[in-house]
Formats: sequence, C-alpha cells, structure tokens
Amino acid sequence: AQSVTQPDIHITVSEGASLELRCNYSYGATPYLFWYVQSPGQGLQLLLKYFSGDTLVQGIKGFEAEFKRSQSSFNLRKPSVHWSDAAEYFCAVNTGGFKTIFGAGTRLFVKA
Amino acid sequence: SAVISQKPSRDICQRGTSLTIQCQVDSQVTMMFWYRQQPGQSLTLIATANQGSEATYESGFVIDKFPISRPNLTFSTLTVSNMSPEDSSIYLCSVETAGGQGDTQYFGPGTRLTVL
Repeated sequence: AQSVTQPDIHITVSEGASLELRCNYSYGATPYLFWYVQSPGQGLQLLLKYFSGDTLVQGIKGFEAEFKRSQSSFNLRKPSVHWSDAAEYFCAVNTGGFKTIFGAGTRLFVKA
Repeated sequence: SAVISQKPSRDICQRGTSLTIQCQVDSQVTMMFWYRQQPGQSLTLIATANQGSEATYESGFVIDKFPISRPNLTFSTLTVSNMSPEDSSIYLCSVETAGGQGDTQYFGPGTRLTVL
C-alpha cells in the first residue's frame, strides 16, 4: 500500500536560516507529489506539486521541492525562512486515482 | 484552482446533537471530499462525494454517522450526527478540479467543531 512518511514531527529554525522538510513515499512507480501548508486555524494551501518533468519544482512563497526517484523523496526547501512561515506542512501523494494520502505533518517553529 | 467556502467556520455543540457543515465551490467540480483532522493529527478521509450518486465512505466511517449530500456540482453538506466529544475535530471540504487522474486537491478553510 502507498504511504507517506514525514520523519520530523517538528523543526525549529532561526529566522533567515535555510529550511528543509523531509518527505519519503512508498509506491512502485512515480506518484503525483504535493506539499501543503496549514497555518493555525486555517485550511490547507497548496505550496507546489510535481507530476512529471523537471525534478526541481518551484512553488509559492519562495518554496521549492526536489523529487529524487532513487531515494523516493520529495523534500521541501526554502533558502531563508520568515517568521510568517511558522505553520504545519503536509506532504501528500496521489497515485493516479481519486485518493490522496497525506503524511503526518511537520510543524515548523521559527525563532527570532 | 478553486475557491472553497465552508459554513460554519466553528461551532460548539452539545453531545447527542447534530451539525450540518456546508461546502460551496466557485466552479463546477466532479469530485468533492470530506476530511477530518483531529487535534494535532493529519487528515483522514471520511468520504468522497460525486454529484448524483451516493457518497463513498472510507473504512471506519458510516453513512448513519456522517450523512453527505451532493445536490449539484458546486455544493455539498456533511452532517455529524449524534455527536460525542470524540467528534471534536476540524472538518475540511476539498475538491479535485479535473477527472480524478491525480489532479490537485484544493481545500476549504475548515470547520472547527467542539463537542461538550
């Protein structure tokens, strides 16, 4: 069965520092991959997605993610974190059907 | 993309009562989904709702507890019936904009439910 793993429950970074959130998936082929962000009390907002092509994907708010087939990973990165980036981040996978599977989430804390 | 609104945004209810959550989309969509997000948890899919057919429920969720309506291509409701404190969660409506071929899901702002 397909699965999504976000190994880090929470991460703390200093404002202005770089960020990498990890995501690994389990699936026999290349799935469709997504990153969502959820600010406190809000719904989920799509940051970026990968369907095919260039393995480095640019998203909104200065985020990017890189698909690495050999590692079954889709890690999210940002070169310089802002205090407003503090939120919950969810990696998600869709294998071509109607069901999207979400990871457990990683909560990002940003310290001044 | 799609713009999704939900009503109510939050509610506090007494156990044993029911609450109906509305989801409105700004465009016609085939697939609509209802998720539950318990405190500090990820999203759990409750059911998938296609217009004109019965909703398809995931394991652990039943129609008597979570009846869903999907009267047209822009609207759906989820009712949480005979509520207990364990139903306290955020309920999220989501849509998929094309065809179920791995396209993107967009989410509403959620309904925060507290059951006393």
